[in-house]
Amino acid sequence: LAKTTQPISMDSYEGQEVNITCSHNNIATNDYITWYQQFPSQGPRFIIQGYKTKVTNEVASLFIPADRKSSTLSLPRVSLSDTAVYYCLVGDDYTGGFKTIFGAGTRLFVKA
Amino acid sequence: NAGVTQTPKFQVLKTGQSMTLQCAQDMNHEYMSWYRQDPGMGLRLIHYSVGAGITDQGEVPNGYNVSRSTTEDFPLRLLSAAPSQTSVYFCASSYSTPGQGALDTQYFGPGTRLTVL
Repeated sequence: LAKTTQPISMDSYEGQEVNITCSHNNIATNDYITWYQQFPSQGPRFIIQGYKTKVTNEVASLFIPADRKSSTLSLPRVSLSDTAVYYCLVGDDYTGGFKTIFGAGTRLFVKA
Repeated sequence: NAGVTQTPKFQVLKTGQSMTLQCAQDMNHEYMSWYRQDPGMGLRLIHYSVGAGITDQGEVPNGYNVSRSTTEDFPLRLLSAAPSQTSVYFCASSYSTPGQGALDTQYFGPGTRLTVL
């Protein structure tokens, strides 16, 4: 199973760059890596997705090394509103079906 | 576009009662899923569906039933509620199977907060 491992929590200050790394040693050839953000009392929402190398959008960057066994979500210049839980997701083909496994996520706390 | 809607927002049940959590999406997505999230925990997949008439079990399916008679609707039934089912339930949908490409972004509903006494 393509399970993911992330740090449980991280602290940062406003204006800093935050990098959250996710390990996915058993990622399958066809799997994409997707990151979600969840605020309290809300459902997760999509941040960014990638397959290899680097992807950037208006919110974040995603760095994926050549072996694809890990990925790093980079949030530039975080603000207090970036305090949330961040989940790394990898597609999981299991007994003919497709399931996505959310790990416990990384709780990011941004301080003033 | 309403996206993914869930009803009710809050529900209190007594042990042994049954109920159905409703989920609907108006994006013509084939893939739908139900998750539960316990306090301070990540999401765990209960059941999912890859299209109308097709459902399968996730990580924690016991005590729950689902059906998918239409593309739009994916109700979750609690057969006999237990205190261990106290949780927040999220429904999600995506155009294609999660993890498989650019069209697989999951859109989540606002959640149903369920308490079983």
